[in-house]
Amino acid sequence: NAGVTQTPKFQVLKTGQSMTLQCAQDMNHNSMYWYRQDPGMGLRLIYYSASEGTTDKGEVPNGYNVSRLNKREFSLRLESAAPSQTSVYFCASRSLQSYSNQPQHFGDGTRLSIL
Amino acid sequence: QQPVQSPQAVILREGEDAVINCSSSKALYSVHWYRQKHGEAPVFLMILLKGGEQKGHDKISASFNEKKQQSSLYLTASQLSYSGTYFCGTDKSGNTPLVFGKGTRLSVIA
Repeated sequence: NAGVTQTPKFQVLKTGQSMTLQCAQDMNHNSMYWYRQDPGMGLRLIYYSASEGTTDKGEVPNGYNVSRLNKREFSLRLESAAPSQTSVYFCASRSLQSYSNQPQHFGDGTRLSIL
Repeated sequence: QQPVQSPQAVILREGEDAVINCSSSKALYSVHWYRQKHGEAPVFLMILLKGGEQKGHDKISASFNEKKQQSSLYLTASQLSYSGTYFCGTDKSGNTPLVFGKGTRLSVIA
């Protein structure tokens, strides 16, 4: 069972370069999320997609864009990378159902360094 | 708004117990608990729904007091494998993204 798959696992960029982080889930979940994790800060929500065709900003959206390509895939794009975006990025998915509360499932993360 | 976790870090010897707390300033629908090992993804432990329920998972249990908007995670007779960072994630309506605390780093030593 693959669950949530993120690519790449590691990446080094130079300031100003652009990059797209890919995420795919095979659990037929309707909601998908992008978080960043920095030391001592926990997991902070960047963007999310409650269902296919919708996207919304989270707590720290500046400098990022997202695309919900289909129900399975949700990508995160850095248009002009900055050193402050050095972080570990986690994608997650969740099934949102009435009268039921389901857990979020996380991918293994992408470790991104911007020089 | 980010929930507040306490303590920030704790060191235990094998067999000792620990309690990790999670508090929110907003009304909550549910609280989710996750554990993350160094260099790995967060792994789901349990969900607590409003109604004051208490759940267990091996020797790890949790409670949720919706009136106080607080949840506590109880680790009993800790094992080396319990080491990691524990996060609570709060959900205010059942269909909103989880908002995570900054985490509690738990170290269990022999």
